[in-house]
Amino acid sequence: DAGITQSPRHKVTETGTPVTLRCHQTENHRYMYWYRQDPGHGLRLIHYSYGVKDTDKGEVSDGYSVSRSKTEDFLLTLESATSSQTSVYFCATEDGPHQPQHFGDGTRLSIL
Amino acid sequence: AQTVTQSQPEMSVQEAETVTLSCTYDTSESDYYLFWYKQPPSRQMILVIRQEAYKQQNATENRFSVNFQKAAKSFSLKISDSQLGDAAMYFCAYRGPNAGKSTFGDGTTLTVKP
Repeated sequence: DAGITQSPRHKVTETGTPVTLRCHQTENHRYMYWYRQDPGHGLRLIHYSYGVKDTDKGEVSDGYSVSRSKTEDFLLTLESATSSQTSVYFCATEDGPHQPQHFGDGTRLSIL
Repeated sequence: AQTVTQSQPEMSVQEAETVTLSCTYDTSESDYYLFWYKQPPSRQMILVIRQEAYKQQNATENRFSVNFQKAAKSFSLKISDSQLGDAAMYFCAYRGPNAGKSTFGDGTTLTVKP
């Protein structure tokens, strides 16, 4: 399976603070994704990347930004965290549209 | 925009019995891929099965099979000989030709009764 590491695994922070979540992969997959998972909503796509420095918005991108300076790293930033961004965040990688996505173990983020 | 609907928030099945989870989707694309993922309480997302839209033959993986009806835009998952380890949340997912067209359903929680 693809080696995908998310850090941190858990984080508690306060409203208004910046937060950065990191996703690191060792499989050289081209595509990388950030999702959030909330009760009753499944996984919703925040941002995705189709190559180094190539990123685009998903369906719930407001309040989030991403960067991908290397193939292996995909960062998700909350510039000024709000309580509505409390969620579990998953990173995923994919080798192409015909291949399944491989997921990290998730980051539980709580914003008080 | 494409949508994926899982109309059964919760399902239960007796151990060793068969259960079918429903999924419908909406898309204007002709080329796409469909997946079922399993998420046990450990929170890991695990691939169960996948289907290419251009293939008419339904995919099968051991006790897991799909009923893919392209015209009806339906992609149901059948689990045969259910086991206690099958208890999890199951997500249906659509992947279009572009990376941004990746959509998940809201999930179905499956309980397996001994």
